[in-house]
Amino acid sequence: GAGVSQSPSNKVTEKGKDVELRCDPISGHTALYWYRQSLGQGLEFLIYFQGNSAPDKSGLPSDRFSAERTGGSVSTLTIQRTQQEDSAVYLCASSLDRGANQPQHFGDGTRLSIL
Amino acid sequence: GESVGLHLPTLSVQEGDNSIINCAYSNSASDYFIWYKQESGKGPQFIIDIRSNMDKRQGQRVTVLLNKTVKHLSLQIAATQPGDSAVYFCAESFQGAQKLVFGQGTRLTINP
Repeated sequence: GAGVSQSPSNKVTEKGKDVELRCDPISGHTALYWYRQSLGQGLEFLIYFQGNSAPDKSGLPSDRFSAERTGGSVSTLTIQRTQQEDSAVYLCASSLDRGANQPQHFGDGTRLSIL
Repeated sequence: GESVGLHLPTLSVQEGDNSIINCAYSNSASDYFIWYKQESGKGPQFIIDIRSNMDKRQGQRVTVLLNKTVKHLSLQIAATQPGDSAVYFCAESFQGAQKLVFGQGTRLTINP
């Protein structure tokens, strides 16, 4: 079956521009996560959505970052007024359920480069 | 604070040998652990997970061991193949916090 799909796969933009990254989770997965991976580093949690509950935004690094999930499916991560330190791979994951410790399944990410 | 780390940043093994990748965690409240494999340009791929009420779990050619006493996690890969070359990450979470906390990763290289 189809896995987690992210678009675009690569994005190059100038400092100060806004960018929008998209994630299509696995069908039927109710939980959706965004992580950031800097070069040669592990993954850093950004935000988590579960059903209609309020998202856990505790990992967002600044108020320039925001995310939404429409209709319980597709999610977009928006970064406003991008800075060079925002350059990273942004990874999305989805899982079946909350509270049951289900494995998170990842897309291949969006590689964001800020010039 | 919570943290997950790895003892070895790189590991080279001969094809056909067994590999052991280690991971230390500091949050004693963590109750779920997971290993991922990440190839270049790809997202992390789920390998195997284990809950804190277990100390061993086996999959296909892989075994995860959990030692809660010393807060240590390991991934054993049997009869390593060239396709096993990748970066391996351990991650943890604890009840009520669905986010995963990742270690820095170990690069596994298989020598022919």
